[in-house]
Amino acid sequence: QVHLVESGGGVVQPGRSLRLSCAASGLTFSKTGMHWVRQAPGKGLEWVADMSYDGSDKNYADSVKGRFTISRDNSKNTLYLQLTSLRTEDTAVYFCAKDGFEIWGQGTMVTVSS
Amino acid sequence: QAVVTQEPSLTVSPGGTVTLTCGSSTGAVTSGHYPFWFQQKPGQAPRTLIYDTSNKHSWTPARFSGSLLGGKAALTLSGAQPADEADYYCLLSYSGAWVFGGGTKLTVL
Repeated sequence: QVHLVESGGGVVQPGRSLRLSCAASGLTFSKTGMHWVRQAPGKGLEWVADMSYDGSDKNYADSVKGRFTISRDNSKNTLYLQLTSLRTEDTAVYFCAKDGFEIWGQGTMVTVSS
Repeated sequence: QAVVTQEPSLTVSPGGTVTLTCGSSTGAVTSGHYPFWFQQKPGQAPRTLIYDTSNKHSWTPARFSGSLLGGKAALTLSGAQPADEADYYCLLSYSGAWVFGGGTKLTVL
């Protein structure tokens, strides 16, 4: 059975950084593209970024371009999202999802507050 | 970045039929946008109902169907049940980037 488990969320001050992780199991991670999606409290879903199976292709939403970096370590079956220059509007639950969006993690909460 | 629009809220009677739509600020939605539809209930991760316009997963109830309708992507629910009360999101692809619609809150009443 495929599982995605996010971690790394927490409370952070504006302007600081955080790294999120998404550990995958039950799938051939090295052959799977991956996405990050976020959801602010009480708001809708927002696609954040994606990365191809081998890391050669990355795409970002305009709202995070230049501040967030997606990466992966296929030897560890793990996807990452480096969040820098955080703003209060980045407060959200961050989900990782398998390419095709049929598998999602349960999310990790990031709160940006002074 | 494109803006994807959905009805903010809709109400359907139990056993009734309702169509949710998904429009794009760039023009007509086509199969090339690979429309997805997701259902999300409070406190849960989204669940994919429809992918690539009209394809269903094994877990997608038969009462849900996807299509293109009048330049938009559409999700039709036929025979609504109380368990279908949820938020529904569409997702469109724009040459490597993806954009969610704002979501439709569906009430079964």
